[in-house]
Amino acid sequence: QLQLQESGPGLVKPSETLSLTCTVSGGSISSSTYYWGWIRQSPGKGLEWIGSIYYSGTTYYNPSLKSRVTISVDTSKNQFSLKLSSVTAADTAVYYCARPRDVLGPTLIWGPGTLVTVSS
Amino acid sequence: EIVMTQFPATLSVSPGERATLSCRASQSVTSNLAWYQQKPGQAPRLLIYDASTRATGIPARFSGSGSGTEFTLTISSLQSEDFALYYCQQYNNWPTFGQGTKVEIK
Repeated sequence: QLQLQESGPGLVKPSETLSLTCTVSGGSISSSTYYWGWIRQSPGKGLEWIGSIYYSGTTYYNPSLKSRVTISVDTSKNQFSLKLSSVTAADTAVYYCARPRDVLGPTLIWGPGTLVTVSS
Repeated sequence: EIVMTQFPATLSVSPGERATLSCRASQSVTSNLAWYQQKPGQAPRLLIYDASTRATGIPARFSGSGSGTEFTLTISSLQSEDFALYYCQQYNNWPTFGQGTKVEIK
């Protein structure tokens, strides 16, 4: 059974880059049927779709975050990653890695989530 | 951006009773709508997709209906494990979520 697990720093300073990794177990990240994505949840903005990526590297980003977001895949490690630059306190949230059904579709599988706080 | 509005914000229901949750889209999303359940400290769990299709392993007491801009999630007979937060999500355009409905014990 496919499982996802986020990892990365829980505290990031303002103006720096938030970096998270999602490790996929129970399946190959290179499967041609799989997309991968990131979603975040904060008390102020609720649930927010960040973006998704196909194993080939094709990416789709939330227009409101597009200028700051990079999602990438590392097939050799069965992982995918999120980078969010120039963070502010508004980026404080629980970040989930996810497997959507397709590029913009419903999220079938969620990681447990990891809290990232932006503070000096 | 398509704005999703859920109502009511809180629904107080007795165990065994029926719960009806609503979700409205600011423009048509056809049938590209999902419902999720979230419990404290956990990630959301997919219940319904394509407006009315139950996800794998979801009990039959959960049902979804609607199309266009108006959608409903019905829980036919509330069990103790169903008291939680529920979110709708559209994926007709860039995915957006509603603010949630809390189903609490009456």
